[in-house]
Amino acid sequence: ETGVTQTPRHLVMGMTNKKSLKCEQHLGHNAMYWYKQSAKKPLELMFVYSLEERVENNSVPSRFSPECPNSSHLFLHLHTLQPEDSALYLCASSQDGASYNEQFFGPGTRLTVL
Amino acid sequence: AQKVTQAQTEISVVEKEDVTLDCVYETRDTTYYLFWYKQPPSGELVFLIRRNSFDEQNEISGRYSWNFQKSTSSFNFTITASQVVDSAVYFCALSSNAGNMLTFGGGTRLMVKP
Repeated sequence: ETGVTQTPRHLVMGMTNKKSLKCEQHLGHNAMYWYKQSAKKPLELMFVYSLEERVENNSVPSRFSPECPNSSHLFLHLHTLQPEDSALYLCASSQDGASYNEQFFGPGTRLTVL
Repeated sequence: AQKVTQAQTEISVVEKEDVTLDCVYETRDTTYYLFWYKQPPSGELVFLIRRNSFDEQNEISGRYSWNFQKSTSSFNFTITASQVVDSAVYFCALSSNAGNMLTFGGGTRLMVKP
């Protein structure tokens, strides 16, 4: 595998379910990101991890819980979501958390909350 | 706060036409970085280019060219002799050394018809 991979690619869940999104990067990067892309809003940064420590949390509701066990893996744990949380969730990585580094994106997980 | 505006939400051209995608940004920081990403139907954003605020030289890469003008806070992207494979959503983005993470514009959907 190369680049940034995300699983699952599609997910349908009820409002009471608990699920997790997984992201893995094979680029040797030290920073990883979660973004939300919905039809009505621009790409929104949710979480940033640099060297496995969370450095940014853009006021995301607590029903989204990130986890970064090592620099290659990033998870987004979901529980009691709302229909408005339906969106494309994109993971990205960069060399480090510096603002000048380009980010490399995965293909995303298309989430539908019923 | 920083902001990126892509006023063109959707553009449709016929193959071989030239097309320019507009990007206007706002920031109070003196050191910042501008990016363009391409999002094909597969979903993952693909990095195209990065410019820093001290380098106003225009850049050409094959059929792609970028025009960075600080005087008008613009970073426009031109595709020459467009092809069907250029059909995608294109995002302009901005980050800065003051710790501001990547801020994306709303994107421009480009449709190139054969």
